[in-house]
Amino acid sequence: NAGVTQTPKFQVLKTGQSMTLQCAQDMNHNSMYWYRQDPGMGLRLIYYSASEGTTDKGEVPNGYNVSRLNKREFSLRLESAAPSQTSVYFCASSGGSGPGFFGPGTRLTVL
Amino acid sequence: GENVEQHPSTLSVQEGDSAVIKCTYSDSASNYFPWYKQELGKGPQLIIDIRSNVGEKKDQRIAVTLNKTAKHFSLHITETQPEDSAVYFCALGDSGYALNFGKGTSLLVTP
Repeated sequence: NAGVTQTPKFQVLKTGQSMTLQCAQDMNHNSMYWYRQDPGMGLRLIYYSASEGTTDKGEVPNGYNVSRLNKREFSLRLESAAPSQTSVYFCASSGGSGPGFFGPGTRLTVL
Repeated sequence: GENVEQHPSTLSVQEGDSAVIKCTYSDSASNYFPWYKQELGKGPQLIIDIRSNVGEKKDQRIAVTLNKTAKHFSLHITETQPEDSAVYFCALGDSGYALNFGKGTSLLVTP
């Protein structure tokens, strides 16, 4: 099993550009999550999906959209990137409440 | 979200010593308390968790204790090894899916 995979690993954007971060899990988990991690800030929840077909806002959803494409895949979209969105983004999944397995992360820089 | 205070922010111990990290919170509705380990350049890894109906849980050299009355929970690592060096995060939540994370403790185990 690959666990949770994320693409890309690194990305540099200019202000105003858009991009989609991809995430997939092969553990048949119902729940999937997107977190961002900033230095000294811990992890903050952007969006989560408790099950296929549902999504909910987390603590910091502004500037982001998500799509739960199917049970395996959960994507995060930045429509118009801003420097404040420079961060490391982690996708996670679990069979119940709370993230159990994290992906390796996407390091995003917005210039 | 729920405010989680994690202490200390950095901790240095000698190999073989014990390490203790403590988190405090204020929301008595919280009933799920996981701990994560994050190695450099990787995503967090769930290492142990505890629910509010249990006061202590142990897994080999790692243990978590919970004091719901005083609203704090702690991670205990015994017989520390250099590979225990990482950043450790506490988190907490209620029966839902969103967790609130502490800001992390950077643990260094010196040989």
